[in-house]
Amino acid sequence: EVQLVESGGGLVKPGGSLRLSCAASGFTFTNAWMSWVRQAPGKGLEWVGRIKRNTDGGTTDYAAPVKGRFTISRDDSKNTLYLQMDSLKTEDTAVYYCTKGVVGDYYFDYWGQGTLVTVSS
Amino acid sequence: DIQMTQSPSTLSASVGDRVTITCRASQSISRWLAWYQQKPGKAPKLLIYKASSLESGVPSRFSGSGSGTEFTLTISSLQPDDFATYYCQQYNNYWTFGQGTKVEIK
Repeated sequence: EVQLVESGGGLVKPGGSLRLSCAASGFTFTNAWMSWVRQAPGKGLEWVGRIKRNTDGGTTDYAAPVKGRFTISRDDSKNTLYLQMDSLKTEDTAVYYCTKGVVGDYYFDYWGQGTLVTVSS
Repeated sequence: DIQMTQSPSTLSASVGDRVTITCRASQSISRWLAWYQQKPGKAPKLLIYKASSLESGVPSRFSGSGSGTEFTLTISSLQPDDFATYYCQQYNNYWTFGQGTKVEIK
């Protein structure tokens, strides 16, 4: 059974940093493109960024609102995905979901339960 | 950037109704479109991919159609478990979601 379990959310002040983790199991993590998607309270879904599998270069891409502030990384030895969030703004307040992409097709077939990040003074 | 526009934003319907949600892309995305269902406090769940392919385990009352810039999600006979918010997503060029359609009880 595929499982994605996020952790690391919490309350942080504007300008602060936070690192989210996503522990993956039930599939070959090294073979997956992984993304983060967020959802502000009462709002829709917003793609945050993606990391390719290492055999595809392990490259990352980010949405414009977070580019230069957020960094996605992966540790295939631990089956874990990370989202380092720096220079946080109040508008980054959201539930952050870890998602698994389908190899060769790229839609998201599995989602974690999400972790809430609140940026407030 | 590719923009995705869903309509309507809210839909009131009764159990047994046929329901159709439309999603339009700002440029052609071929058939690189997925539909997700989200219930309050839960993660989104994949329903349809590649515009019309039904994800394993999803009831056959859900169907998708379209290509290019216009797509539809149809629920043939609305069930109590289907009251939720539905999102379309393009994956032709990175990923963009529609703003969502809330299906509520009439």
